[in-house]
Amino acid sequence: GENVEQHPSTLSVQEGDSAVIKCTYSDSASNYFPWYKQELGKGPQLIIDIRSNVGEKKDQRIAVTLNKTAKHFSLHITETQPEDSAVYFCAANTGKLIFGQGTTLQVKP
Amino acid sequence: EPEVTQTPSHQVTQMGQEVILRCVPISNHLYFYWYRQILGQKVEFLVSFYNNEISEKSEIFDDQFSVERPDGSNFTLKIRSTKLEDSAMYFCASSEFRQGGEQYFGPGTRLTVT
Repeated sequence: GENVEQHPSTLSVQEGDSAVIKCTYSDSASNYFPWYKQELGKGPQLIIDIRSNVGEKKDQRIAVTLNKTAKHFSLHITETQPEDSAVYFCAANTGKLIFGQGTTLQVKP
Repeated sequence: EPEVTQTPSHQVTQMGQEVILRCVPISNHLYFYWYRQILGQKVEFLVSFYNNEISEKSEIFDDQFSVERPDGSNFTLKIRSTKLEDSAMYFCASSEFRQGGEQYFGPGTRLTVT
């Protein structure tokens, strides 16, 4: 079955810096890759996604890239702000979501 | 903006008791899911449900678990005889489409089994 690996597990950046989180997946049949942000005590919130026919997608300060050949995709957050601090999960969708292990992002003011 | 809602937010139960977790998916969505997150770990798929039947279930979803859509709005997860290891956050999600459809999550129910 599908397996998703996510790195790093923790990431600490200064406010204004960029943050990059990377994921790899195993099932070449996966064709949809969402990213979720989870704040303490809340459910995962969909922040951006990418489909397999697209290499890059951007929404204001966040962007996602996908390399289908290498089976990896990444989340890029630019000009980070303290409110970006949360746990971020990547996932691959094969009808169900298979999540990565999560990255705890801390943005220091 | 439509959202997935879940009740209760926190459920405490004794080992061996039955619990029912409730969810109201987004109204025009057709696919429904339950996921589980043990404290500090990743979110794990439990079951997907479409057209009044289970589409797929994981190894975690054994005979102690069942799901039901009792009416046009609610979607429930029942655990027949809870174990200590069932303690976790349970998230309901819904989507309009299956593969490639955005899944929107509810706020979760924290289940504590003592």
